[in-house]
Amino acid sequence: GQSLEQPSEVTAVEGAIVQINCTYQTSGFYGLSWYQQHDGGAPTFLSYNALDGLEETGRFSSFLSRSDSYGYLLLQELQMKDSASYFCAVSTNTDKLIFGTGTRLQVFP
Amino acid sequence: DTAVSQTPKYLVTQMGNDKSIKCEQNLGHDTMYWYKQDSKKFLKIMFSYNNKELIINETVPNRFSPKSPDKAHLNLHINSLELGDSAVYFCASSQVSTGETQYFGPGTRLLVL
Repeated sequence: GQSLEQPSEVTAVEGAIVQINCTYQTSGFYGLSWYQQHDGGAPTFLSYNALDGLEETGRFSSFLSRSDSYGYLLLQELQMKDSASYFCAVSTNTDKLIFGTGTRLQVFP
Repeated sequence: DTAVSQTPKYLVTQMGNDKSIKCEQNLGHDTMYWYKQDSKKFLKIMFSYNNKELIINETVPNRFSPKSPDKAHLNLHINSLELGDSAVYFCASSQVSTGETQYFGPGTRLLVL
């Protein structure tokens, strides 16, 4: 079967750095995506990693290690508006995006 | 300009009723999806269409019937609504069928009483 694991909740203060980990078990793996969802809002695409290594987009970076079936989302210079749920998702040769259960990030002043 | 739009945004209805949710994307994408997000925020794919053809049909009760009149539209009709159908339904689209980069609509919050 396919499964993804990520922490259910992470807390941090403004200006800090936080890392949200995601481990997955799947066959036919293509890549790992990250989505952000604010309460009451829709998931919004953040990043996609198909190859090993770090991808940086502004304050957010995403990392993938295919050999370890592991990735993470790194958020730097945290702001209050970063408080949201973050989902990792794997894309596979079944043309489906399988989402993790989400990590709720709370940023405190 | 709204990339992926859904109507209605809220839907409150009685058990046993039939309802439809509409979705439109103006991104020129070939693939569209329906997801269900439950109260625990678990996001699960229901259906996927590529160029009007059904390519993914998860184990969803046959009370749920998607319809894609053209590649910019994907509607969801639900018959005989049940309490357990209460959830947020998201439409999404992507350029490619592998769907790693998906754009979501605002969601339809369905409450079945």
